[in-house]
Amino acid sequence: DADVTQTPRNRITKTGKRIMLECSQTKGHDRMYWYRQDPGLGLRLIYYSFDVKDINKGEISDGYSVSRQAQAKFSLSLESAIPNQTALYFCATSDWGPSGISGTQYFGPGTRLTVL
Amino acid sequence: GQQLNQSPQSMFIQEGEDVSMNCTSSSIFNTWLWYKQDPGEGPVLLIALYKAGELTSNGRLTAQFGITRKDSFLNISASIPSDVGIYFCAGQLPGNNDMRFGAGTRLTVKP
Repeated sequence: DADVTQTPRNRITKTGKRIMLECSQTKGHDRMYWYRQDPGLGLRLIYYSFDVKDINKGEISDGYSVSRQAQAKFSLSLESAIPNQTALYFCATSDWGPSGISGTQYFGPGTRLTVL
Repeated sequence: GQQLNQSPQSMFIQEGEDVSMNCTSSSIFNTWLWYKQDPGEGPVLLIALYKAGELTSNGRLTAQFGITRKDSFLNISASIPSDVGIYFCAGQLPGNNDMRFGAGTRLTVKP
């Protein structure tokens, strides 16, 4: 079984709809992340969480919100989806690496979201 | 300033050739990571570098953390068809530990 799972894997929705993407992990890691990937732009960090009570904005948090329901679950919400949020979304987890910096990040398989 | 410039954007090589790609930035990073992404999959870590000057190998892959902490390179020796994919560099910023990713290098290996 995969260590980091994402649901759904694919979603097509309409402008203005509320969408939630879910991520679960069995690695026992404290740290979880949400990224979006656009062609030619690599991965950009949306939000991250270092434990259940910790939520931090990343590089591009506008238009998104997150919820860390438990150590193993981190969900990403688009309250009112817009077409330029069409992208591939990845969840990742990591433990504590050397000297307190984040350790290796392990990625889920991705969710392809299309907003019409 | 915190962006990573990854080059080349794409490479087409013959099986058996060596490959080199790099990332540069005007910012300093605490960690440099190299990932590979296959179609329909999430990125998978290849090599992690934690100290300036560090040179690390993983099979046919070798990566180095630049002395200035502003760059890193990845070499793949004797390429094989399964090396095909998109390779991403990533750096972890000091302080908030945010990650920044390069735009990727798409590698095609011709048998």
